[in-house]
Amino acid sequence: EADIYQTPRYLVIGTGKKITLECSQTMGHDKMYWYQQDPGMELHLIHYSYGVNSTEKGDLSSESTVSRIRTEHFPLTLESARPSHTSQYLCASSEEDRGSDTQYFGPGTRLTVL
Amino acid sequence: KNQVEQSPQSLIILEGKNCTLQCNYTVSPFSNLRWYKQDTGRGPVSLTIMTFSENTKSNGRYTATLDADTKQSSLHITASQLSDSASYICVVSDRGSTLGRLYFGRGTQLTVWP
Repeated sequence: EADIYQTPRYLVIGTGKKITLECSQTMGHDKMYWYQQDPGMELHLIHYSYGVNSTEKGDLSSESTVSRIRTEHFPLTLESARPSHTSQYLCASSEEDRGSDTQYFGPGTRLTVL
Repeated sequence: KNQVEQSPQSLIILEGKNCTLQCNYTVSPFSNLRWYKQDTGRGPVSLTIMTFSENTKSNGRYTATLDADTKQSSLHITASQLSDSASYICVVSDRGSTLGRLYFGRGTQLTVWP
């Protein structure tokens, strides 16, 4: 069982609200990721980080932002939520291990924007 | 275009039966291929990882095969159990380094009936 945690697990909010999805890991991994996943669809990378003070945008354009002030913490923020942001958000981390970069996933946050 | 295609999209089998899930990819250059299991409402969990030189890898009742020439992989589940009901995701990495990216399939939704 991976030591990576996400809160909240479920969130229902109204349009225009600011939200922060929390992700933390206790494995000391440098690399962390945020994915977006819709039902029956593949995971899409929206943000990643190689370490403290490093953040990069992923393959899928997202209006969210991330920060990496501490190794173990990688929160995702939406300044003004919209119904199009309704989705499952998965956080992951991995070791700096060339050739076998297995990612460990958190349980996910199911976000619904009304 | 780098892609990962999985089949079937969904599968229903009876408890105790065997099944095989397929994954075809066009990712190049190829670094490694992973199979993940994702329970409903949870994050994916790694089952196996195979590099170019490996053509089979087992993890309990799960056996993955890889044919790097034809760019095909399969995941065979033996003596299925109710707890095997989940989505099985094929993930291909294009290089084993910090510059590598992952390509996700949409998954095969497996349901095991008693």
